[in-house]
This record gives sequence, structure tokens and C-alpha cells, in this order.
Amino acid sequence: GENVEQHPSTLSVQEGDSAVIKCTYSDSASNYFPWYKQELGKRPQLIIDIRSNVGEKKDQRIAVTLNKTAKHFSLHITETQPEDSAVYFCAATKTSYDKVIFGPGTSLSVIP
Amino acid sequence: DTEVTQTPKHLVMGMTNKKSLKCEQHMGHRAMYWYKQKAKKPPELMFVYSYEKLSINESVPSRFSPECPNSSLLNLHLHALQPEDSALYLCASSQDGASGSWSVTQYFGPGTRLTVL
Repeated sequence: GENVEQHPSTLSVQEGDSAVIKCTYSDSASNYFPWYKQELGKRPQLIIDIRSNVGEKKDQRIAVTLNKTAKHFSLHITETQPEDSAVYFCAATKTSYDKVIFGPGTSLSVIP
Repeated sequence: DTEVTQTPKHLVMGMTNKKSLKCEQHMGHRAMYWYKQKAKKPPELMFVYSYEKLSINESVPSRFSPECPNSSLLNLHLHALQPEDSALYLCASSQDGASGSWSVTQYFGPGTRLTVL
């Protein structure tokens, strides 16, 4: 079955700096990769996603890149703000299957 | 309506109690999910309902019993729980794709914080 690894487990950056979170997946058939942000005590919220027919996607300060050959995908947050502090989960799945496999999470702290 | 709602927000129960968690969505989604989440861990899948039928049961103990009365509602019935079942219980939904393959973007409810004494 699919396995998703995520690094780093914790990340601390100064406000205004960039943050990068990296994930790898094991199942080459996976074709959909969402990223969720979960603030303390809140629900996981989808912040960006990418499908396997696209190499990069950007939404304002957030971007995701996908390398299908290496089975890597990464989340890039630029100009970080304190409100970006949260746990971020990457995930992988196949669009023909309804089970999403989550990575273990990255706790991001943005220091003002 | 673009939200998944869950009730109650908090629940404290004893090991002999019976209680139910409720989830509702009005986005026309045909797949609904129950997850269990422990602190600082990713959501852990428990059950999946697709078109109101149970499609995935991740070997969850029988003290958790899901029910899908209609396409908008999902319940989780709890009985004889253990203290280690204390967690955040999340409901999610996703839309079925027109081709029959799933649009698997999952939207989560706010969760029920369950404490078992």
C-alpha cells in the first residue's frame, strides 16, 4: 500500500522567510496530492493540491511542486507570517480510490 | 452551503455510556468519512461511506458503529469505549467524479473532541 513520508517534523522560521516542507510517496500510481493546514484545535483545511499531470501549482504565497520520477512533492510558503504557524500534512491518493494516505505532519512555527 | 458540520463539539462519556456523533453536509457529496485524530498525529481513517454504503472499514473495534441514514448525514454510535479512545473525531466528505472516479478532495468538519473517563 501507499506510504507517505514527510520532513522536517518541526520547522521554525523568522517572519518573512520562506518555509519548505518535503514529502515522498511510495505508490507510483498515486495521482493526487493535497496539502492540509491544521491550526491548534481546528479542522484540517485544504490549502493547495496538485494532480500528477502538473509539475507545479501556485496560489499567492503558497506553491507545490511535484516530481513524479522521484516520487517527491514539496510545499513552499514565501513571506511567512505568524498566522502560517500550524501543522501541515501532505497526503497522496489515487483518484479512483477513496482512501487518502497522510504524511506524519510538520509543525511550522513562524517567529515574529 | 460549503461546510461540513459536526455535533457535539465536545463530549465526555463514561465507559458504560452510549452516545452518538453526528455529521452533516449539504454539498451534494456522495462519499463521507470518519477519522480519529490523536494530538500531533495525522487523521487516521476509520470508515468510508460511498453512496450511503459502507465501502471501507479499517478494522475498527465494534464499539464504534457507523450509520449513514441518507446522503447528507453520517453518524458514529459509541458504546463501551475505552479511555484510549479519547481523541478528536473528524468527519469529512468528498464529491464523486462524473466519470465514476472519485474527486477525492476531502473537506473536514470541525470535529468532536471526545473524552472517555
